Amino acid sequence: EVQLVDSGGGLVQPGGSLRLSCEASGFTFNTYSLTWVRQAPGKGLEWVSYISYSGRTIYYADSVKGRFTISRDNAKNSLYLQMNSLRVEDTAVYYCAREAVLKSGDFDYWGQGTLVTVSS
Amino acid sequence: QSVLTQPPSASATPGQRVTISCSGSSSNIGSGPVNWYHQLPGAAPKLLIHTNNQRPSGVPDRFSGSKSGTSASLAISGLQSEDEADYYCGAWDDSLNGYVFGTGTKVTVL
Repeated sequence: EVQLVDSGGGLVQPGGSLRLSCEASGFTFNTYSLTWVRQAPGKGLEWVSYISYSGRTIYYADSVKGRFTISRDNAKNSLYLQMNSLRVEDTAVYYCAREAVLKSGDFDYWGQGTLVTVSS
Repeated sequence: QSVLTQPPSASATPGQRVTISCSGSSSNIGSGPVNWYHQLPGAAPKLLIHTNNQRPSGVPDRFSGSKSGTSASLAISGLQSEDEADYYCGAWDDSLNGYVFGTGTKVTVL
């Protein structure tokens, strides 16, 4: 059974840092691209970042470029999102998701989400 | 800021048909596949339609997708109470070098 488990969220002050993790199981991790999507309270979905199966191709939304870093460890079946210089507007539930077909955008499995709250 | 535009809400009575539109541009819908997701309150999104009109295993055939030019649409026929959810379209955007979601549509079963 395919599973993605998000973790690492919490309360952090503006300007602080947090590292999110997404642990995968039930599929061949190093053959799938992955993405992070967030959802602010009461708002819609916002795509954050993407990393290809090899890790060689990475994209970021303009809203997080230069502050967030996506990475993956294929040996540990894990995806990460290092978030620095956090802002109040980064407050959201963060989901990791698997892309079924390369660059198709069909995110077929999602984690349960982890809440990040940026507040003083 | 979403670049794919959806109506904020749609509603119908049980058994009826509801259609949700998704308007984009040549750099996203016009140049690649469209996917649809639905999200129940408090839950993670789920893939509903991929590659414009393909249903993943387990998705009822009441759900159908289509695409024409720079627009796409999702139709739900035989509406059921459990279809009350938020629905989002999504596509890669070649100009932004990123993925874009629609503004989202809340479907209400009257």
